[in-house]
Amino acid sequence: ETAVFQTPNYHVTQVGNEVSFNCKQTLGHDTMYWYKQDSKKLLKIMFSYNNKQLIVNETVPRRFSPQSSDKAHLNLRIKSVEPEDSAVYLCASTQRGHYEQYFGPGTRLTVL
Amino acid sequence: GEKVEQHESTLSVREGDSAVINCTYTDTASSYFPWYKQEAGKGLHFVIDIRSNVDRKQSQRLIVLLDKKAKRFSLHITATQPEDSAIYFCAASKPTGYQNFYFGKGTSLTVIP
Repeated sequence: ETAVFQTPNYHVTQVGNEVSFNCKQTLGHDTMYWYKQDSKKLLKIMFSYNNKQLIVNETVPRRFSPQSSDKAHLNLRIKSVEPEDSAVYLCASTQRGHYEQYFGPGTRLTVL
Repeated sequence: GEKVEQHESTLSVREGDSAVINCTYTDTASSYFPWYKQEAGKGLHFVIDIRSNVDRKQSQRLIVLLDKKAKRFSLHITATQPEDSAIYFCAASKPTGYQNFYFGKGTSLTVIP
């Protein structure tokens, strides 16, 4: 049963454009994450967000920024996309003090 | 920072046989080790995990072993079925409260009927 929702499923855009991806979780969790999965399936953490506070930013370029309206939502904005941004972006959530992270289905970004 | 190495990039087994995927980690402070499964075009689905206070955990056909001295952990899938075919990711994290997962590169498992 899906409890972490991501939109859109796919997005194709051109270099220099701005994009925004949405993530919503219905699990009542207080911490959300964004991961990037590249073409080789390598997964890397981008952001951790807890109660509207950015906890960790793992050397992500400044054109990426997380945006949260409440603890159930964490969006990802990319100001000016570059070809190397082509990837699948996965959102996840967890509850502080717990271990398991729940993942959404991902948003596939293609930059032409 | 933590680095997780996943040794098998691809693995093929015959239906009914066992599959073993091995991972190593570098940070002795890591204490939680989950495994995730990813089917084509889908997100990650949790399959099993192990914490550092135990060295073995089993859930039905899945067994996870942890060797803290060697900083190694492994996933054993017994009596494999075609639906086990997927990419499996191991990960490690520290008990910081807002733990980040450091993932291995994934193992593409194919179960041949």
